[in-house]
Amino acid sequence: EPEVTQTPSHQVTQMGQEVILRCVPISNHLYFYWYRQILGQKVEFLVSFYNNEISEKSEIFDDQFSVERPDGSNFTLKIRSTKLEDSAMYFCASMSQPGEKLFFGSGTQLSVL
Amino acid sequence: EDQVTQSPEALRLQEGESSSLNCSYTVSGLRGLFWYRQDPGKGPEFLFTLYSAGEEKEKERLKATLTKKESFLHITAPKPEDSATYLCAVKYRRYAGNMLTFGGGTRLMVKP
Repeated sequence: EPEVTQTPSHQVTQMGQEVILRCVPISNHLYFYWYRQILGQKVEFLVSFYNNEISEKSEIFDDQFSVERPDGSNFTLKIRSTKLEDSAMYFCASMSQPGEKLFFGSGTQLSVL
Repeated sequence: EDQVTQSPEALRLQEGESSSLNCSYTVSGLRGLFWYRQDPGKGPEFLFTLYSAGEEKEKERLKATLTKKESFLHITAPKPEDSATYLCAVKYRRYAGNMLTFGGGTRLMVKP
């Protein structure tokens, strides 16, 4: 079955540094998402992206966050100046059409020191 | 306040011991309820979507049902490989897009 691929699987960074988390969604999918899960907490929605623009974002997704689809295959999440509380597992997800299955990647574990 | 609550938080079963997991929701305008399985260190894996009260879906040892206030995931004669965290999530009218709001999950452990 096709997969959503995320890299790296683990990222360690210093507070205040910029990080870019990368995702390759399933090739014919048009809707892209980032979710995160802080250890021991619920999976939380960050942002959805369609047709090269953000279609919805949560209150977590502030000015420190940005997303981009730089080419036809990658989808990235950038955190400009990381904080300790940004430490979490970040999941990329994609979907072909509204109402279809949402496929998640295996996640990037971000640790901010 | 819109909420999705799962119970129990953790459940230990013996192999073959059937049980049910609960997901209760207090949102208006439900547009879909989703069940996912999550293995340690992995992303959620889709299991079922339910759209309206009375709907049921089955897959192997799992059966999901939906009422106007809650959903149940019934596990019949579970095996150790069913051990995982089971997540429910809802899509509802407040958000016009496809955003999912997740519950806290039920961690299921099935002992041989």
